[in-house]
Amino acid sequence: KAGVTQTPRYLIKTRGQQVTLSCSPISGHRSVSWYQQTPGQGLQFLFEYFSETQRNKGNFPGRFSGRQFSNSRSEMNVSTLELGDSALYLCASSLGDQTGGGGPQHFGDGTRLSIL
Amino acid sequence: GESVGLHLPTLSVQEGDNSIINCAYSNSASDYFIWYKQESGKGPQFIIDIRSNMDKRQGQRVTVLLNKTVKHLSLQIAATQPGDSAVYFCAERNEKLTFGTGTRLTIIP
Repeated sequence: KAGVTQTPRYLIKTRGQQVTLSCSPISGHRSVSWYQQTPGQGLQFLFEYFSETQRNKGNFPGRFSGRQFSNSRSEMNVSTLELGDSALYLCASSLGDQTGGGGPQHFGDGTRLSIL
Repeated sequence: GESVGLHLPTLSVQEGDNSIINCAYSNSASDYFIWYKQESGKGPQFIIDIRSNMDKRQGQRVTVLLNKTVKHLSLQIAATQPGDSAVYFCAERNEKLTFGTGTRLTIIP
Protein backbone atom coordinates (compact mmCIF):
# COMPACT_ATOMS: atom_id res chain seq x y z
CA LYS A 1 0.00 0.00 0.00
CA ALA A 2 1.48 3.38 -0.95
CA GLY A 3 2.24 5.77 1.88
CA VAL A 4 1.37 9.42 2.24
CA THR A 5 2.70 11.43 -0.70
CA GLN A 6 3.52 15.11 -0.48
CA THR A 7 4.42 17.36 -3.36
CA PRO A 8 6.59 19.19 -3.99
CA ARG A 9 9.45 18.02 -1.75
CA TYR A 10 11.22 21.36 -1.87
CA LEU A 11 10.00 24.86 -2.60
CA ILE A 12 11.62 28.28 -2.55
CA LYS A 13 9.45 31.38 -2.42
CA THR A 14 9.89 35.06 -1.62
CA ARG A 15 8.12 37.16 0.97
CA GLY A 16 4.62 38.20 0.00
CA GLN A 17 4.04 35.30 -2.37
CA GLN A 18 1.60 32.51 -1.77
CA VAL A 19 2.12 28.76 -1.93
CA THR A 20 0.01 25.63 -2.28
CA LEU A 21 1.19 22.28 -0.98
CA SER A 22 -0.40 18.97 -1.87
CA CYS A 23 -0.96 15.76 0.05
CA SER A 24 -2.27 12.38 -1.10
CA PRO A 25 -3.25 10.21 1.86
CA ILE A 26 -2.98 6.46 2.20
CA SER A 27 -5.75 4.75 0.28
CA GLY A 28 -8.82 4.41 2.46
CA HIS A 29 -7.77 7.11 4.92
CA ARG A 30 -10.31 9.89 5.25
CA SER A 31 -8.58 12.14 7.74
CA VAL A 32 -5.72 14.40 6.72
CA SER A 33 -3.82 16.60 9.16
CA TRP A 34 -1.17 19.20 8.50
CA TYR A 35 1.75 20.14 10.73
CA GLN A 36 4.53 22.68 10.66
CA GLN A 37 7.95 21.56 11.91
CA THR A 38 10.69 24.02 12.80
CA PRO A 39 13.82 23.64 14.95
CA GLY A 40 12.57 26.24 17.40
CA GLN A 41 8.90 25.29 17.77
CA GLY A 42 8.97 21.59 16.95
CA LEU A 43 5.92 19.94 15.45
CA GLN A 44 2.86 22.15 15.56
CA PHE A 45 -0.63 21.21 14.48
CA LEU A 46 -2.17 23.33 11.74
CA PHE A 47 -5.51 21.70 10.94
CA GLU A 48 -7.31 18.45 10.28
CA TYR A 49 -9.76 17.61 7.53
CA PHE A 50 -12.21 14.75 7.48
CA SER A 51 -14.71 14.10 4.71
CA GLU A 52 -13.95 17.49 3.11
CA THR A 53 -14.66 19.38 6.36
CA GLN A 54 -12.20 21.03 8.69
CA ARG A 55 -12.59 19.16 11.96
CA ASN A 56 -9.88 20.77 14.07
CA LYS A 57 -7.69 23.83 13.83
CA GLY A 58 -4.47 24.87 15.53
CA ASN A 59 -3.31 28.32 16.54
CA PHE A 60 -2.07 29.66 13.23
CA PRO A 61 -3.11 32.90 11.52
CA GLY A 62 -5.71 32.98 8.79
CA ARG A 63 -2.97 33.11 6.14
CA PHE A 64 -2.81 29.35 6.59
CA SER A 65 -5.72 27.54 5.05
CA GLY A 66 -6.52 24.16 3.62
CA ARG A 67 -9.08 22.07 1.92
CA GLN A 68 -9.86 18.45 1.24
CA PHE A 69 -11.32 16.96 -1.90
CA SER A 70 -13.82 14.16 -2.29
CA ASN A 71 -11.01 11.67 -2.92
CA SER A 72 -9.47 12.69 0.46
CA ARG A 73 -6.52 14.43 -1.17
CA SER A 74 -5.73 17.67 0.59
CA GLU A 75 -4.06 20.96 -0.17
CA MET A 76 -2.66 23.56 2.14
CA ASN A 77 -2.27 27.19 1.17
CA VAL A 78 -0.20 29.90 2.77
CA SER A 79 -0.74 33.46 1.56
CA THR A 80 1.45 36.54 2.00
CA LEU A 81 4.46 34.46 2.96
CA GLU A 82 6.74 35.65 5.75
CA LEU A 83 10.33 34.67 6.53
CA GLY A 84 9.09 32.85 9.60
CA ASP A 85 7.02 30.51 7.46
CA SER A 86 10.20 28.68 6.43
CA ALA A 87 9.66 25.18 7.73
CA LEU A 88 9.01 21.55 6.93
CA TYR A 89 5.30 21.09 6.32
CA LEU A 90 4.09 17.60 7.09
CA CYS A 91 0.90 15.90 6.15
CA ALA A 92 -0.46 12.88 8.00
CA SER A 93 -3.39 10.63 7.24
CA SER A 94 -5.44 8.24 9.31
CA LEU A 95 -8.69 6.35 9.09
CA GLY A 96 -10.14 9.11 11.24
CA ASP A 97 -13.44 7.39 11.72
CA GLN A 98 -13.94 8.85 15.19
CA THR A 99 -12.95 12.15 16.74
CA GLY A 100 -9.90 11.72 18.92
CA GLY A 101 -9.28 8.22 17.64
CA GLY A 102 -9.37 6.65 14.25
CA GLY A 103 -6.01 4.93 14.48
CA PRO A 104 -2.48 6.33 14.27
CA GLN A 105 -1.55 9.06 11.88
CA HIS A 106 0.94 8.16 9.18
CA PHE A 107 3.16 10.92 7.88
CA GLY A 108 4.56 11.84 4.53
CA ASP A 109 8.14 13.07 4.16
CA GLY A 110 7.03 16.68 3.99
CA THR A 111 7.55 19.73 1.85
CA ARG A 112 10.56 21.84 2.76
CA LEU A 113 9.51 25.47 2.24
CA SER A 114 12.17 28.17 2.23
CA ILE A 115 11.25 31.85 2.15
CA LEU A 116 13.82 34.30 0.84
CA GLY B 1 -2.94 23.91 28.74
CA GLU B 2 -1.60 20.96 26.82
CA SER B 3 2.07 20.24 26.87
CA VAL B 4 4.06 17.15 26.21
CA GLY B 5 7.64 17.13 27.37
CA LEU B 6 10.61 14.84 27.14
CA HIS B 7 13.04 14.38 30.01
CA LEU B 8 16.23 14.34 27.94
CA PRO B 9 16.98 15.99 24.64
CA THR B 10 19.76 13.50 23.79
CA LEU B 11 20.51 9.91 24.64
CA SER B 12 23.51 7.78 23.65
CA VAL B 13 23.34 4.02 23.95
CA GLN B 14 25.83 1.28 23.15
CA GLU B 15 24.79 -0.96 20.28
CA GLY B 16 23.08 -4.06 21.63
CA ASP B 17 22.01 -2.41 24.86
CA ASN B 18 18.45 -1.49 25.73
CA SER B 19 17.33 2.13 25.64
CA ILE B 20 14.55 3.92 27.45
CA ILE B 21 13.11 7.22 26.26
CA ASN B 22 10.82 9.05 28.65
CA CYS B 23 8.00 11.49 28.14
CA ALA B 24 5.73 13.50 30.44
CA TYR B 25 2.33 14.74 29.44
CA SER B 26 -0.02 17.16 31.14
CA ASN B 27 -3.46 16.61 29.62
CA SER B 28 -5.19 14.01 31.76
CA ALA B 29 -8.06 13.93 29.23
CA SER B 30 -5.81 12.45 26.53
CA ASP B 31 -6.80 8.89 25.85
CA TYR B 32 -4.35 7.86 23.18
CA PHE B 33 -0.57 8.08 22.96
CA ILE B 34 1.84 7.44 20.12
CA TRP B 35 5.58 7.14 19.65
CA TYR B 36 7.18 8.26 16.40
CA LYS B 37 10.68 7.95 15.02
CA GLN B 38 12.02 10.59 12.69
CA GLU B 39 15.16 10.11 10.64
CA SER B 40 16.94 12.93 8.89
CA GLY B 41 15.10 14.13 5.80
CA LYS B 42 12.03 12.02 6.48
CA GLY B 43 8.68 12.42 8.13
CA PRO B 44 7.84 10.88 11.50
CA GLN B 45 7.38 7.14 11.31
CA PHE B 46 4.80 5.43 13.51
CA ILE B 47 6.37 3.02 16.01
CA ILE B 48 3.76 2.02 18.53
CA ASP B 49 0.65 3.36 20.21
CA ILE B 50 -1.24 2.77 23.42
CA ARG B 51 -4.68 3.71 24.67
CA SER B 52 -5.25 5.03 28.15
CA ASN B 53 -7.06 1.88 29.27
CA MET B 54 -3.76 -0.01 28.98
CA ASP B 55 -0.49 0.38 30.85
CA LYS B 56 1.80 -1.66 28.60
CA ARG B 57 1.98 -2.63 24.99
CA GLN B 58 4.68 -4.56 23.16
CA GLY B 59 5.78 -4.57 19.57
CA GLN B 60 8.80 -5.88 17.78
CA ARG B 61 11.77 -4.90 20.00
CA VAL B 62 9.73 -2.00 21.42
CA THR B 63 7.59 -1.64 24.50
CA VAL B 64 5.53 1.35 25.54
CA LEU B 65 4.64 1.89 29.18
CA LEU B 66 1.95 4.30 30.34
CA ASN B 67 1.64 5.53 33.91
CA LYS B 68 -1.49 7.67 34.13
CA THR B 69 -0.98 8.38 37.81
CA VAL B 70 2.12 10.45 37.14
CA LYS B 71 1.29 11.20 33.48
CA HIS B 72 4.39 9.47 32.21
CA LEU B 73 5.04 7.57 29.01
CA SER B 74 8.15 5.63 28.08
CA LEU B 75 9.49 3.82 25.06
CA GLN B 76 11.83 0.90 25.56
CA ILE B 77 13.90 -0.33 22.63
CA ALA B 78 15.56 -3.70 23.12
CA ALA B 79 18.91 -4.67 21.64
CA THR B 80 19.47 -1.35 19.90
CA GLN B 81 20.87 -1.30 16.40
CA PRO B 82 22.57 1.47 14.39
CA GLY B 83 19.33 1.94 12.47
CA ASP B 84 17.61 3.00 15.68
CA SER B 85 19.53 6.28 15.65
CA ALA B 86 16.91 8.98 15.13
CA VAL B 87 14.80 11.54 16.92
CA TYR B 88 11.94 10.02 18.89
CA PHE B 89 8.74 11.91 19.60
CA CYS B 90 5.94 11.08 21.94
CA ALA B 91 2.51 12.46 21.13
CA GLU B 92 -0.77 12.60 22.97
CA ARG B 93 -4.07 12.77 21.23
CA ASN B 94 -7.29 14.24 22.52
CA GLU B 95 -8.99 15.94 19.60
CA LYS B 96 -5.66 16.71 17.99
CA LEU B 97 -2.14 15.35 18.19
CA THR B 98 0.28 17.25 20.43
CA PHE B 99 3.94 16.36 20.09
CA GLY B 100 6.77 16.50 22.56
CA THR B 101 10.03 18.20 21.71
CA GLY B 102 11.84 14.98 20.82
CA THR B 103 14.83 12.97 22.06
CA ARG B 104 17.76 12.35 19.78
CA LEU B 105 18.92 8.77 20.22
CA THR B 106 22.43 7.94 19.10
CA ILE B 107 23.61 4.34 18.95
CA ILE B 108 27.31 3.94 19.61
CA PRO B 109 28.88 1.06 17.64
